[in-house]
Amino acid sequence: DAGITQSPRYKITETGRQVTLMCHQTWSHSYMFWYRQDLGHGLRLIYYSAAADITDKGEVPDGYVVSRSKTENFPLTLESATRSQTSVYFCASRGQGASPYGYTFGSGTRLTVV
Amino acid sequence: GESVGLHLPTLSVQEGDNSIINCAYSNSASDYFIWYKQESGKGPQFIIDIRSNMDKRQGQRVTVLLNKTVKHLSLQIAATQPGDSAVYFCAENTVEGAQKLVFGQGTRLTINP
Repeated sequence: DAGITQSPRYKITETGRQVTLMCHQTWSHSYMFWYRQDLGHGLRLIYYSAAADITDKGEVPDGYVVSRSKTENFPLTLESATRSQTSVYFCASRGQGASPYGYTFGSGTRLTVV
Repeated sequence: GESVGLHLPTLSVQEGDNSIINCAYSNSASDYFIWYKQESGKGPQFIIDIRSNMDKRQGQRVTVLLNKTVKHLSLQIAATQPGDSAVYFCAENTVEGAQKLVFGQGTRLTINP
């Protein structure tokens, strides 16, 4: 199916564990983004990628690692999860061009760190 | 750093009334301002955008107003319906580089029957 999909939908992990959130898009969009959304806050940018093998930090990158070996995938890894990383994580993609409505968001992954 | 924020965290209106959601921004260099709607359990969905060289843009039942003098953005929803219940975010970006979105806090809109 065409679109942007995130997995898993829900995840509970223990403090100190490594966890990877997956994001896959089928449009071959150049840009991909990871945001986190905390209760009472808007979305904050963690990392983004302009193309395969090109990634850059966003507003809140500490504690996260990303990679982009293929255009369609942009996994987000928490190397050693902390309770402060309990959040809802959204992946987004957009193609080239100045189209703000070109952003498409996934349905999110709700991560709980216990 | 630059930020986008909202005046009201919650808004409750009667079905059929008009809703106005406000947003203040601080980055005068932004090229676009965008409104997103987020329903429970879903990702943000694009509603309408406005370029920085405009002051008003209309869509279907929605109007966005931009006042650059006071750095204020608003979303007007006409004849609100139960399906309009959601959290609404304003966001901004520029046409340069990665065009990263900077989001405001969000306003929860509740429609009373």
